[in-house]
Amino acid sequence: DTGVSQDPRHKITKRGQNVTFRCDPISEHNRLYWYRQTLGQGPEFLTYFQNEAQLEKSRLLSDRFSAERPKGSFSTLEIQRTEQGDSAMYLCASSALGDKNPYGYTFGSGTRLTVV
Amino acid sequence: GQSLEQPSEVTAVEGAIVQINCTYQTSGFYGLSWYQQHDGGAPTFLSYNALDGLEETGRFSSFLSRSDSYGYLLLQELQMKDSASYFCAVRDLNYGQNFVFGPGTRLSVLP
Repeated sequence: DTGVSQDPRHKITKRGQNVTFRCDPISEHNRLYWYRQTLGQGPEFLTYFQNEAQLEKSRLLSDRFSAERPKGSFSTLEIQRTEQGDSAMYLCASSALGDKNPYGYTFGSGTRLTVV
Repeated sequence: GQSLEQPSEVTAVEGAIVQINCTYQTSGFYGLSWYQQHDGGAPTFLSYNALDGLEETGRFSSFLSRSDSYGYLLLQELQMKDSASYFCAVRDLNYGQNFVFGPGTRLSVLP
């Protein structure tokens, strides 16, 4: 297993369009997180899954954002009716309690979204 | 709510030692992590402290004082490849399983 994979790496979309990103975590990791990062800032939490259950969602997260992890493996993050303010790097991370460092996240390389 | 503060930039020369501080305010503190992120790259986990004291991993060490709501990352024998942004992140049980990240400190290592 080579780590957390995210697809696509880059996405340019017109304002108002819907976009969907995919994350494939490390296979034995049951915890999956989505974060958003803008230039010069730290990652901002969006949502968290344990297996297929979405257990936490940021209060800052608009209703236009939805995430799924249907079989407890890969996850998708969808943004509906994109706005220019959604332009950011979307990071996925995974972890597992049984890891040597259970509180250490392994991040993917991210999907950079540009809304024009 | 929660807040974390870090210096925005730090500059040091190769071979030197640098300390990056992090102060936090949170009501349900559970642990403090540090991450490194090179430009265009993914954040990489460096360390996690839940108890007071120093944790050492090679050239990097991380310290936590829960009574002072303070931690730091110590980088020794600096190398050019250490030039990156460094983020502290706190886990607050009042906010669940996720970590809240600080604004980051950009470290520049000069020859």
